[in-house]
Amino acid sequence: EVQLLESGGGLVQPGGSLRLSCAASGFTFSSYAMSWVRQAPGKGLEWVSTVSGSGQTTYYADSVKGRFTISRDNSKNTVSLQMHGLRVEDTDVYYCARRSTGGGYGDLPDYWGQGTLVTVSS
Amino acid sequence: EVVLTQSPDFQSVTPKEKVTITCRASQSIGTSLHWYQQKPHQSPQLLIKYASQSFSGVPSRFSGSGSGTDFTLTIDSLEAEDAATYYCHQSRNLGTFGQGTKLEIK
Repeated sequence: EVQLLESGGGLVQPGGSLRLSCAASGFTFSSYAMSWVRQAPGKGLEWVSTVSGSGQTTYYADSVKGRFTISRDNSKNTVSLQMHGLRVEDTDVYYCARRSTGGGYGDLPDYWGQGTLVTVSS
Repeated sequence: EVVLTQSPDFQSVTPKEKVTITCRASQSIGTSLHWYQQKPHQSPQLLIKYASQSFSGVPSRFSGSGSGTDFTLTIDSLEAEDAATYYCHQSRNLGTFGQGTKLEIK
């Protein structure tokens, strides 16, 4: 059974930093790209970032480019999202999602974690 | 950026009714269109991939169709447990989501 467990969310001041992590199990982790997708409370979904299965290729939404960094540790079956320069509008539930292939482009998120809430407020 | 527009935004339906949700893309995306169901306080669950392929374990009352710019999610014989928000998602160009369609069961 595919399981994804996010952690690291919390309250942070504008301009601050936070690191989210996602622990994966139930599948061959290095064979699949991974993504972060976020959702403002009561709002729609926004793709944030994707890392390929090897970790060598990354993609970012324009809204986070230059502020967020996605990475993965295939020895520990974890994917992380380092967030800097956080803004009030980054307040969202952040979901970790497995993608359907190892490449991460042209494929889709097929399994999702339960999410972790990030609140950016002074 | 590919913009996805869903209709309707909200629909109140009765059990056993047939429901149709549409998703229109701002440019042609082939069949790179997927549908998700999100129940309250839960994460999204994949229903349909690549416009018409059912995902593993999804009930047969859910089906998808379309290509290019116009896509449809159909729920035959709606059940009470289908109360949720449904999102379309395109993967032709990195990835964008529709704004969602909330289904309320009368």
